[in-house]
Amino acid sequence: EIVLTQSPATLSLSPGERATLSCRASQSVSSDLAWYQQKPGQAPRLLIYDASKRATGIPPRFSGSGSGTAFTLTISSLEPEDFAVYFCQQRDSWPHTFGGGTNVEI
Amino acid sequence: QVRLVESGGGLVKPGGSLRLSCAASGFTFSDSFMSWIRQTPGKGLEWFSYISSRSRYTNYADSVKGRFTISRDNANNSLYLQMNSLRVEDTAVYYCVRVFGSSGYYIDYWGHGTLVTVSS
Repeated sequence: EIVLTQSPATLSLSPGERATLSCRASQSVSSDLAWYQQKPGQAPRLLIYDASKRATGIPPRFSGSGSGTAFTLTISSLEPEDFAVYFCQQRDSWPHTFGGGTNVEI
Repeated sequence: QVRLVESGGGLVKPGGSLRLSCAASGFTFSDSFMSWIRQTPGKGLEWFSYISSRSRYTNYADSVKGRFTISRDNANNSLYLQMNSLRVEDTAVYYCVRVFGSSGYYIDYWGHGTLVTVSS
């Protein structure tokens, strides 16, 4: 199965700063990658799919890029509500797999 | 709005069985592919099953194949997960999710999750 490795595990930033999160796949997943945000006690929420398409209602400060094995989620200017855990997920092959997550903390 | 509500979680002994249910509303359930996903603090998120809109296709991860069965009742807008031969490592929060895509899926809606604890 495809292994997704996210880095860093924890990102300590302040509101207003730029966040850059990385997701690397053990083999090419083309552009078949999504990003989710999860806050404590809540289910994850879809942010980005097909590597760069924003899901409905997601603000433009969230952007995704990459293809093949290297992907990036960028939050251009962190809002207080953006401090959360972020996961990547591939749909290129079954079983679909998730990365271990990046915790964006204040 | 889309709503997915899981039920049926709880404490069960190793080797036991449990059936999870998910009540769906706010969308055309019979047109949607659905899945079950689980999450643990140690192993993270695991996508282990899906079912097509008319139940024609199902698929499972090796970790649950032969022990878990996903099914649905489109007349009652319900998704199910029958879990047999449960193991300690099946302990997790189980989410009912709606998926989208073709030849591969993403998740656009999640339930709130139900906790399954397998322990003697």
